[in-house]
Amino acid sequence: QLQLQESGPGLVKPSETLSLTCTVSGGSISSSSHYWGWIRQPPGKGLEWVGSRHHNGITFANPSLKSRVAISIDTSKDQFSLKLTSVTAADTAVYYCARHISMGRFKIGWFDPWGQGTLVTVSP
Amino acid sequence: EFVLTQSPGTLSLSPGERATLSCRASQSLNNNYLAWYQQKPGQAPRLLIYGASSRASGIPDRFSGSGSGTDFTLTISRLEPEDFAVYYCQQYDTSRTFGPGTHLEIK
Repeated sequence: QLQLQESGPGLVKPSETLSLTCTVSGGSISSSSHYWGWIRQPPGKGLEWVGSRHHNGITFANPSLKSRVAISIDTSKDQFSLKLTSVTAADTAVYYCARHISMGRFKIGWFDPWGQGTLVTVSP
Repeated sequence: EFVLTQSPGTLSLSPGERATLSCRASQSLNNNYLAWYQQKPGQAPRLLIYGASSRASGIPDRFSGSGSGTDFTLTISRLEPEDFAVYYCQQYDTSRTFGPGTHLEIK
């Protein structure tokens, strides 16, 4: 059964870069036809898609975050990572990683399964 | 900008009752590109429905999705105690956005 687990610092200073890693187990990133994505949820609020990447390099990102988001994949470790630059308090959220289901060339759909999430707080 | 609206914001029902949750899109969704998720406190969302009406693996058949165009519905036929949670819809026609959620609480 595919499982995902987020890891990374829980506290980041304003203007710095948020870095998180998601480790995939029970399956291989490189053998998957799907994408691998990040979704975030500010405390007490709703869900926001951040971005997703395929192991072939094709990447999609939320237009509102695109200029600050970078997603990379390490197929040798079955891990993918998120970097979000120039963070502010508005970036404080639980960050989830998830498999982002591919529906064909350049079309991605729903998220399944999800990691348990990790809280990242932006504060001095 | 593509916007999803969910109603009601909070729904108070008793176990055994039928729940009807609504998700409305600001533009028509091609191919009914809509998913539903359930989120319990302190947990990650869980996929329930994709393609507006296809149940995800392992999801009980008391959960069903319907609708097309701009109006979609998630129905829980008979509420079980474990069904009380927050429910989100998500469109994947134009970029990917989530609705604000419906909180289903025990009456």
